[in-house]
Amino acid sequence: GNSVTQMEGPVTLSEEAFLTINCTYTATGYPSLFWYVQYPGEGLQLLLKATKADDKGSNKGFEATYRKETTSFHLEKGSVQVSDSAVYFCALSVDTGFQKLVFGTGTRLLVSP
Amino acid sequence: DTEVTQTPKHLVMGMTNKKSLKCEQHMGHRAMYWYKQKAKKPPELMFVYSYEKLSINESVPSRFSPECPNSSLLNLHLHALQPEDSALYLCASSQDGRFNTEAFFGQGTRLTVV
Repeated sequence: GNSVTQMEGPVTLSEEAFLTINCTYTATGYPSLFWYVQYPGEGLQLLLKATKADDKGSNKGFEATYRKETTSFHLEKGSVQVSDSAVYFCALSVDTGFQKLVFGTGTRLLVSP
Repeated sequence: DTEVTQTPKHLVMGMTNKKSLKCEQHMGHRAMYWYKQKAKKPPELMFVYSYEKLSINESVPSRFSPECPNSSLLNLHLHALQPEDSALYLCASSQDGRFNTEAFFGQGTRLTVV
């Protein structure tokens, strides 16, 4: 089946620290990969995506590279801010005729000043 | 306008009540979705509508009844819910139903069943 595994949180960092949130996946077929962010009390926002191997998605200083050989899509940011505190979900979707996002369990990021 | 608007934001209902959740988008998207998110868990897909037709029902109990009156609106009718149905209900839309397109999410309706 299709599944996503994310590192357990919370991840606690000081402002300007380097961030890595690990994500690995299992999929039947060739998935598209996504990172979504959920701020407290809100819905989900797409942060970035990649649709084929070696693609790099990037947005707002965040990056992730689609690694088919290691089935991974790790999220990185060089210098986090307090405003980045949120829950980050890695997700995949495979071509079954319709989009069905399968999410990881989410990783809470807490950034302190 | 890149918004998906959900109403109400909060809803408390008894187990014998009937209520409806509403979702609206004006991005011209032809696919719309309902997801359910329990506390501290990831969202789980419930229904997919594509071109106003129900395309996916993820074995959701019949006490949840979706409706898509037109391409901009999506409703979720609730009847005889259980306390374990308390959750954040998220609506999303995408340009079409293709697996690699971006889904835009609303802020959700936080439902409490008492």
